[in-house]
Amino acid sequence: SQQGEEDPQALSIQEGENATMNCSYKTSINNLQWYRQNSGRGLVHLILIRSNEREKHSGRLRVTLDTSKKSSSLLITASRAADTASYFCATVPYTGGFKTIFGAGTRLFVKA
Amino acid sequence: DTAVSQTPKYLVTQMGNDKSIKCEQNLGHDTMYWYKQDSKKFLKIMFSYNNKELIINETVPNRFSPKSPDKAHLNLHINSLELGDSAVYFCASSQGTGGPHEQFFGPGTRLTVL
Repeated sequence: SQQGEEDPQALSIQEGENATMNCSYKTSINNLQWYRQNSGRGLVHLILIRSNEREKHSGRLRVTLDTSKKSSSLLITASRAADTASYFCATVPYTGGFKTIFGAGTRLFVKA
Repeated sequence: DTAVSQTPKYLVTQMGNDKSIKCEQNLGHDTMYWYKQDSKKFLKIMFSYNNKELIINETVPNRFSPKSPDKAHLNLHINSLELGDSAVYFCASSQGTGGPHEQFFGPGTRLTVL
């Protein structure tokens, strides 16, 4: 069964606004990662948060992790048209070894 | 310099044919992966090799056979192609042991089976 599920499926905002995407998962994890995919391209790694971390920042990105609720959120502040892409959370199950499970993604549209 | 490259980028073929997709990474990583992304953008892992050893083999038809001649290459051969095989196939690589870290993805191969 699918481990990570993103919410919302699609999000449309104006440039300059903040965008928040959520991810829920089902089993204990080793770490959780967020990736971006521009149309017609491969995925690009954005940020990794370990199971013992609660929050992490990278530039305009802020990721939180709540292992008790099995959920994570990705916040993009001051969004730009170039942020338009699909965003995926990916979980590494605690006993999963090298297996990474991706959610279905959130499609973000940032209007200029 | 391309970190993870795949060839071909597009592949259009008839049902029943056999085709291969090649992947190469120049990052010096130990682990490589094949993923399938369907039309709804859902990305599913198919195979993974660590130091040329198969470590992940998901529920994939045995018409799909990966081959890793060395750490830098992971190819995917597909026999008797079916309509349902149409998808985008991504190769990825990562470094480190004890589980996947940041993965680097190739640009994808869009396979269309007619």
